[in-house]
Amino acid sequence: EAQVTQNPRYLITVTGKKLTVTCSQNMNHEYMSWYRQDPGLGLRQIYYSMNVEVTDKGDVPEGYKVSRKEKRNFPLILESPSPNQTSLYFCASSNRDLNTEAFFGQGTRLTVV
Amino acid sequence: EDQVTQSPEALRLQEGESSSLNCSYTVSGLRGLFWYRQDPGKGPEFLFTLYSAGEEKEKERLKATLTKKESFLHITAPKPEDSATYLCAVSNNDMRFGAGTRLTVKP
Repeated sequence: EAQVTQNPRYLITVTGKKLTVTCSQNMNHEYMSWYRQDPGLGLRQIYYSMNVEVTDKGDVPEGYKVSRKEKRNFPLILESPSPNQTSLYFCASSNRDLNTEAFFGQGTRLTVV
Repeated sequence: EDQVTQSPEALRLQEGESSSLNCSYTVSGLRGLFWYRQDPGKGPEFLFTLYSAGEEKEKERLKATLTKKESFLHITAPKPEDSATYLCAVSNNDMRFGAGTRLTVKP
């Protein structure tokens, strides 16, 4: 079954404690991206990757890091989380040409206290 | 800069009351316009892709159309199970989403 898997689904952490949200896809997609979703603001892109070892900033990259060492994995790293990063996060993947649909993970609800 | 604007922000319909959602966009070199459905707390699920002006696609009670500046998602005789947030997205060098329209269908 084609899918994008994110972990964890829920996470409560404290300010400043480094965390990683994992994302893995089994469709051999070149393009992967991370979004955050906040009430009234919709999906905002954090980072995206067109292929292995190629990453680019999206609209709201501050406070986040990503890496793309393997095609299937695209972890999101928060080196020093702050309360304003409390949000619902989604990972997505699609083909390189972006001309077919994106597949989304189940979401990670992050709370930073 | 690429932009996607959806309207209205929220829409309440009675069961059976048809209506349309709007997605207006500005993008250079459109590769595709996408409609997704999102239920609360879940990831968006794909509905349609449109590639060129004049194209139309249908699925059950939903029909998506595309012009050079906007897309419409027409909902015919909606049912309560159609209640969800509907997202529009455009692809160029990356994927850009609108803020969505939250649809509520009352029985």
